[in-house]
Amino acid sequence: NAGVTQTPKFRVLKTGQSMTLLCAQDMNHEYMYWYRQDPGMGLRLIHYSVGEGTTAKGEVPDGYNVSRLKKQNFLLGLESAAPSQTSVYFCASSYSGTAIYEQYFGPGTRLTVT
Amino acid sequence: KQEVTQIPAALSVPEGENLVLNCSFTDSAIYNLQWFRQDPGKGLTSLLLIQSSQREQTSGRLNASLDKSSGRSTLYIAASQPGDSATYLCAVNTDKLIFGTGTRLQVFP
Repeated sequence: NAGVTQTPKFRVLKTGQSMTLLCAQDMNHEYMYWYRQDPGMGLRLIHYSVGEGTTAKGEVPDGYNVSRLKKQNFLLGLESAAPSQTSVYFCASSYSGTAIYEQYFGPGTRLTVT
Repeated sequence: KQEVTQIPAALSVPEGENLVLNCSFTDSAIYNLQWFRQDPGKGLTSLLLIQSSQREQTSGRLNASLDKSSGRSTLYIAASQPGDSATYLCAVNTDKLIFGTGTRLQVFP
């Protein structure tokens, strides 16, 4: 099993450009999450999904959109990138959202917006 | 609002020492608490998950404890090794994971 994979690993965008980050998991997990990690701020939840076709907002959703068309994939979109979106983005998945299941994380995507 | 704090922010110890990393949270209504390890430029690796009904979990040289009533968890690392050098993150699950900012650990030979 590859676990949770993210594409791309690195990306540089100019302000106003758009892009999509792809997360894929092969563990048949229902729940998927997108986080961003910034120095001194810890990881913060952007959006999450509790199953195919569903999405929900997390702590910092503004400027991002997501889609979960297939159970194994969770896409994070930036329609008009801003320098404040420079960050490391992590995708995670879990079998369920209930207490006993842990989250598994991908390797991250480092995004720089100039 | 749930807040998670980790102290110290950084720690440097010689190889072989036993050490304790601390995590505190403000709301005791949690489902579980998870400890992660993050190597530079890498993703997060889950180390231990403690359910709210449990007091501790052990994996090899790692032991994590949970005291919900006082809002505290500790990660104990026995006989530290240079390979343990990484950032350690704790996260509480209150329906969503709330992360602390981590403790950066360096173990020198």
